[in-house]
Amino acid sequence: KQEVTQIPAALSVPEGENLVLNCSFTDSAIYNLQWFRQDPGKGLTSLLLIQSSQREQTSGRLNASLDKSSGRSTLYIAASQPGDSATYLCAVWGDTGRRALTFGSGTRLQVQP
Amino acid sequence: NAGVTQTPKFQVLKTGQSMTLQCAQDMNHNSMYWYRQDPGMGLRLIYYSASEGTTDKGEVPNGYNVSRLNKREFSLRLESAAPSQTSVYFCASSERWRSSYNEQFFGPGTRLTVL
Repeated sequence: KQEVTQIPAALSVPEGENLVLNCSFTDSAIYNLQWFRQDPGKGLTSLLLIQSSQREQTSGRLNASLDKSSGRSTLYIAASQPGDSATYLCAVWGDTGRRALTFGSGTRLQVQP
Repeated sequence: NAGVTQTPKFQVLKTGQSMTLQCAQDMNHNSMYWYRQDPGMGLRLIYYSASEGTTDKGEVPNGYNVSRLNKREFSLRLESAAPSQTSVYFCASSERWRSSYNEQFFGPGTRLTVL
């Protein structure tokens, strides 16, 4: 059964700092990995999707990498801003067994002004 | 484009009552999904519809039924609500089901409380 773990569970940084969020998964047979952002009381906003054949994706100040063989992904946020404060979720779409998104529990990020 | 829309936004039910959560997408996506989000449990898949006319169980289907009304709409029904179904429900859609490029897009959620 696929399991997704996100470390740390919570993170507080001063504005302007570069930071890395980690995601690991137990079964490397995946179609893709997706990073989401969730604001309190809101839905999920898709940030980046990395296909299984890709190593990284970039969008603005965000860069996500994927190492499928080791079961790891990182989300790098450059020059963090208070508006980046949210919970960040990673999810993997499995290639075997139940084909659906399996989510991590998220990293709650607070960027202090 | 509105993306994925859900109604209602909030709902309070008494144990044993029934209700239907509505979801619609205007992105011409083939696949649609229902998830629930609970503290400490993360998001879990309830049911999905890989394409119009098909539905299948996810991780936690007990106590729920679904209907893929057409390509745009996918509803979730609670026949006899229980307190354990208190949760936030999210609908999502993607262009395809079985593809490495099936980015999922989520609705704003329905916050359901069962007393």
